[in-house]
Amino acid sequence: DGGITQSPKYLFRKEGQNVTLSCEQNLNHDAMYWYRQDPGQGLRLIYYSQIVNDFQKGDIAEGYSVSREKKESFPLTVTSAQKNPTAFYLCASTWGPVNTEAFFGQGTRLTVV
Amino acid sequence: AQKVTQAQTEISVVEKEDVTLDCVYETRDTTYYLFWYKQPPSGELVFLIRRNSFDEQNEISGRYSWNFQKSTSSFNFTITASQVVDSAVYFCALSENSNSGYALNFGKGTSLLVTP
Repeated sequence: DGGITQSPKYLFRKEGQNVTLSCEQNLNHDAMYWYRQDPGQGLRLIYYSQIVNDFQKGDIAEGYSVSREKKESFPLTVTSAQKNPTAFYLCASTWGPVNTEAFFGQGTRLTVV
Repeated sequence: AQKVTQAQTEISVVEKEDVTLDCVYETRDTTYYLFWYKQPPSGELVFLIRRNSFDEQNEISGRYSWNFQKSTSSFNFTITASQVVDSAVYFCALSENSNSGYALNFGKGTSLLVTP
């Protein structure tokens, strides 16, 4: 079945460590997105990529980095520079370049310990 | 500035009641798209509906209906005869041709609790 797979589902990180969240899609979608969800805050855009080897910062990119070397994959690295990384992270993709509905992964819950 | 406002943070209803979730948006574009997503406790967002700015026709899908009014910049969502399985967080979202590509701009969500 086509869809978006995020891994791991739960992730624990020690302060000062970088961690990478995986996002893979087999929908042949061009565009991919990373959102962060905090309680009561809705979803906020971290990074997005409309084509391979290109990505752009979203509203809250500080402390995060991404790569888009393959169409199917859009990993997100949470660096030690991110001061409050504990959150729920959601990856999405769209067919693009039109405003079609976004398909979402099941999310990764990151906790800093 | 918040482009999508969902003023209702939490709503609690008893099963079989009708409930309306409000959504007000802000945009200067003439072409834009509005969405509703459902987020059950599992966390994954489930797509419910997409509407473009040129189509103000209301839509009904089973117990779900949507009222799009450009005059008031609103895109409200009504669940008729609510059920316990409708309990979830519901997000309204806006997509414009902005400098974020076609990324969705979400409201803060409305948490709906339906009790037996």
